[in-house]
Amino acid sequence: KAGVTQTPRYLIKTRGQQVTLSCSPISGHRSVSWYQQTPGQGLQFLFEYFSETQRNKGNFPGRFSGRQFSNSRSEMNVSTLELGDSALYLCASSLSGQNQPQHFGDGTRLSIL
Amino acid sequence: GENVGLHLPTLSVQEGDNSIINCAYSNSASDYFIWYKQESGKGPQFIIDIRSNMDKRQGQRVTVLLNKTVKHLSLQIAATQPGDSAVYFCAESPPTDKLIFGTGTRLQVFP
Repeated sequence: KAGVTQTPRYLIKTRGQQVTLSCSPISGHRSVSWYQQTPGQGLQFLFEYFSETQRNKGNFPGRFSGRQFSNSRSEMNVSTLELGDSALYLCASSLSGQNQPQHFGDGTRLSIL
Repeated sequence: GENVGLHLPTLSVQEGDNSIINCAYSNSASDYFIWYKQESGKGPQFIIDIRSNMDKRQGQRVTVLLNKTVKHLSLQIAATQPGDSAVYFCAESPPTDKLIFGTGTRLQVFP
């Protein structure tokens, strides 16, 4: 069974631009969660999607948004990029939610210049 | 909690020894706990999980212990190998809420 796939692996953007990251969950998994990982703040929860609906949200500004498609694939979008948005963005999928094993992709490394 | 400092706590062990990585969790209502291993350049990899109705669970070379009285979780790795070198994270999940990651611990295994 293929694991969680995130694209692209690396991305370089400049301040003010916007970016879209993609995540394909493990086949059969309906819950997709997104996390931001930085050396200073560790792993921080962004949001969770289940059946195309946002079910839970972390403490991030409205510039961070996401969506999920009917095939459970998910995208997250960051608008008006800031230098502080430089991070590793991780996607995790599980069968149905947070209260069970989540399986992570290898992330998208976003660098803001 | 969710924040981790720039300098991770580090545990250094000799190959073949047992390793114990500790974690204090924050929410007494949490009923599900997970340990992850993260190698450089990769996403966190699921190791083992435990629910609050248990106090011990064993996997292959790993054991997780849960002490709800003091809100403490530990991961024991038997016969530690060089391939075990990584950053280890514990995570807790309150019912119907988000997964909260704890402070990571870097495990270094020396030959």
